[in-house]
Amino acid sequence: QVQLQESGPGLVKPSQTLSLTCTVSSGSISRGSYYWSWIRQPAGKGLEWIGRIYTSGSTNYNPSLKSRVTISVDTSKNQFSLKLSSVTAADTAVYYCARAAAGDATLDVWGKGTTVTVSS
Amino acid sequence: QTVVTQEPSFSVSPGGTVTLTCGLSSGSVSTNYYPSWYQQTPGQAPRTLIYSTNTRSSGVPDRFSGSILGNKAALTITGAQADDESDYYCVLYVGSGISVFGGGTKLTVL
Repeated sequence: QVQLQESGPGLVKPSQTLSLTCTVSSGSISRGSYYWSWIRQPAGKGLEWIGRIYTSGSTNYNPSLKSRVTISVDTSKNQFSLKLSSVTAADTAVYYCARAAAGDATLDVWGKGTTVTVSS
Repeated sequence: QTVVTQEPSFSVSPGGTVTLTCGLSSGSVSTNYYPSWYQQTPGQAPRTLIYSTNTRSSGVPDRFSGSILGNKAALTITGAQADDESDYYCVLYVGSGISVFGGGTKLTVL
């Protein structure tokens, strides 16, 4: 069964760029028809879809975050990444990576999540 | 901007039946939105329950079922158990590669 693990700095300063990586294990990121996705959740609040990438490099982003988000994929490392620029305290959240089925967008495999705090 | 609506909270008695809904601020939910449902307990990652409206994910008990009721997607829990007390989120695929989460429903079993 494919497993996902998020990694990256737990603390980012305001106005800087948040960078996270999701490593895919027990399976190839290039195998099958899947999108590789990022979701976040501020403490005590709901889940927010950030965006996704196909292994071809095709991306889709949440319109409310689109100007600040970049998702990329490195198939040689079996990883995909999230960059969120010009962060503020409002970007403090648990960030999850997940696999989404290409046909129906189901988020069927999730990472455990990583907490990112934006603070000086 | 598409807004997906869910009841903020719901309560059910042990052994009872509860239906949570997932709607759109404008328009009706159909199977074309591929509604999916996720269960989340505090401190844990979400768990996939239902996808493509009514397909249970592997290992999900059959007391969980999905459907379209009127103009909304619905998640029904039949014979609620104490460990069903969780937050439940729906997701709709709204097209152009975009998915949108509902605000979530906090379910209490008491």
